Amino acid sequence: SALTQPRSVSGSPGQSVTISCTGTSSDVGSYEYVSWFQHHPPKAPKLMIYYVNKRPSGVPDRFSGSKSGNTASLTISGLQAEDEADYYCSSYADRYFVFGTGTKVTVL
Amino acid sequence: QVQLVESGGGVVQPGGSLRLACVASGFSFSTSGMHWVRQAPGKGLEWVAFIGHEGTGEQYGDSVKGRFTVSRDNSENTLFLQMDSLRAEDTAVYSCAKDVFYYFDHWGQGTLVTVSS
Repeated sequence: SALTQPRSVSGSPGQSVTISCTGTSSDVGSYEYVSWFQHHPPKAPKLMIYYVNKRPSGVPDRFSGSKSGNTASLTISGLQAEDEADYYCSSYADRYFVFGTGTKVTVL
Repeated sequence: QVQLVESGGGVVQPGGSLRLACVASGFSFSTSGMHWVRQAPGKGLEWVAFIGHEGTGEQYGDSVKGRFTVSRDNSENTLFLQMDSLRAEDTAVYSCAKDVFYYFDHWGQGTLVTVSS
């Protein structure tokens, strides 16, 4: 079953927003293999966070990840206009992968 | 740089078949596991399948198990997805993605599959 994310979050430039990603003890709660992707359709999704809180090279340090129990979170600090996009979390879950329902981030 | 280019999408009738391809460049394809992921219109991402770097260790999402088959040709740097017994709910953009030990680090833009009579 898909991981649960809020449908939308919004913030003004410079503010911080946090997106939650709630799973179960079979996925998010059991593995440190949570990732976050930024998607500007129809472009290819872009990896923003892997292994809960690791940033690939080139991703601004405004993006950070964390996890507590069955819920992972992505925080975008110092929100910028180009951060407006869809965001998806993903988790490994014992021989399969599950994605979140997706969150639309709007920069006001 | 890493490039993943999908092809083979199109319109197919329910019950029909389609074979997608994903040509990879810019990295060592033969040492990388690969995934297929799809996104139905207006919906979120759904993981479809995984194949190990040697062409073994296939895994499938429940919604496609028994109908879809993932394979690869390392000599041609190409990943495939054979889709049989297609249903309307399989309509989606299908993307390939490169695996790096339990996460997807690069994605293609995808190819659209429409299942309709």
